[in-house]
Amino acid sequence: EPEVTQTPSHQVTQMGQEVILRCVPISNHLYFYWYRQILGQKVEFLVSFYNNEISEKSEIFDDQFSVERPDGSNFTLKIRSTKLEDSAMYFCASSDRQGGTEAFFGQGTRLTVV
Amino acid sequence: AQKITQTQPGMFVQEKEAVTLDCTYDTSDPSYGLFWYKQPSSGEMIFLIYQGSYDQQNATEGRYSLNFQKARKSANLVISASQLGDSAMYFCAMRGFTGGGNKLTFGTGTQLKVEL
Repeated sequence: EPEVTQTPSHQVTQMGQEVILRCVPISNHLYFYWYRQILGQKVEFLVSFYNNEISEKSEIFDDQFSVERPDGSNFTLKIRSTKLEDSAMYFCASSDRQGGTEAFFGQGTRLTVV
Repeated sequence: AQKITQTQPGMFVQEKEAVTLDCTYDTSDPSYGLFWYKQPSSGEMIFLIYQGSYDQQNATEGRYSLNFQKARKSANLVISASQLGDSAMYFCAMRGFTGGGNKLTFGTGTQLKVEL
């Protein structure tokens, strides 16, 4: 069964450092997303990406965040200068079409900022 | 704007019994979809079931069924014949198909514990 793959599964970084979270969406999917879940809280939308550009972003997704699809298969989330409050589980998801009836999530990257 | 409300922070059920997890929603979108996800302690998000706002019948997927009451704006998840492996956090989510963009909006989740 096709799946969304995220690497690394865990990342520990020092405050102020840049981190890149990587995702390989399902191969024929066109819509890509990043979500965040702070420990014990609900899952929050960060950004959606379609046709090589951001289609929607939340207020959480400020100038410290960026996304790109560098090579047609990977989808990355970069946090330029991490803060303690960026510590969370980050999920990548993909859909095959707008308004799709499924959205498949990766297993998540647990980011800890120390 | 869309909003999902899950009012049960925790639920207990005995093995082999059925359990209902509540979810109510609010949206101005005339067309939308409702989703349920399971999050075990390992952290991944597992898609369980989907219900479209114009679907005439309630969705079912194995032991999972969705009790969709459009007029009441509720989309409760029913798990029949609970198993120990069902112990997890369960999230209700929705996606608006017109004004709501393509993102999923999640509720705060219900922690389900299945007991012997």
